[in-house]
Amino acid sequence: QKEVEQNSGPLSVPEGAIASLNCTYSDRVSQSFFWYRQYSGKSPELIMSIYSNGDKEDGRFTAQLNKASQYVSLLIRDSQPSDSATYLCAVRKNYGQNFVFGPGTRLSVLP
Amino acid sequence: EAGVAQSPRYKIIEKRQSVAFWCNPISGHATLYWYQQILGQGPKLLIQFQNNGVVDDSQLPKDRFSAERLKGVDSTLKIQPAKLEDSAVYLCASSFSKGMASYNEQFFGPGTRLTVL
Repeated sequence: QKEVEQNSGPLSVPEGAIASLNCTYSDRVSQSFFWYRQYSGKSPELIMSIYSNGDKEDGRFTAQLNKASQYVSLLIRDSQPSDSATYLCAVRKNYGQNFVFGPGTRLSVLP
Repeated sequence: EAGVAQSPRYKIIEKRQSVAFWCNPISGHATLYWYQQILGQGPKLLIQFQNNGVVDDSQLPKDRFSAERLKGVDSTLKIQPAKLEDSAVYLCASSFSKGMASYNEQFFGPGTRLTVL
């Protein structure tokens, strides 16, 4: 079992819809969770970080964490064509330890 | 605040040649990471430094890859000799890492795209 798993996609949603991206992780002691957006040919850009169970909202983005079920998700409301990118989930066990990235989910928002 | 700087941005070499990449992290960031990202995959950690010490290099192919961060600021990653499968984007990232959870966040440089022919 891979440490961090994501559906590779592509996930296609119409403009204005809600895009839901999911990530599962295998190590139950993981503490920190991150979502990065990566446009084609660019480096990853941090969107959200979440450390506690529940929801965390930032503008059109909501991160959801469920440690008991070992999954973290990212919701993008009112999706825009500019949101079309690959979304990477990253997990960190503890402070000072390294990040493990998932393979990414490619999102396509159709005008 | 200046971001993570990397150079060169692109590099094309023949197999068996050597190549070096440079990274300057965000000022004050103690932790520096080098990642390898192959097309269609997520970044894979090669090495993590805390100041000038190595925290994790378990996935670094030490027979051909080496990295240093002598003064605890900028860092160099070297490949010698290069193989075809080393073609990838090499990303440098840094984080503050001073205890508070929010300081865990890492920020990436623009990357170096390496093509090995």
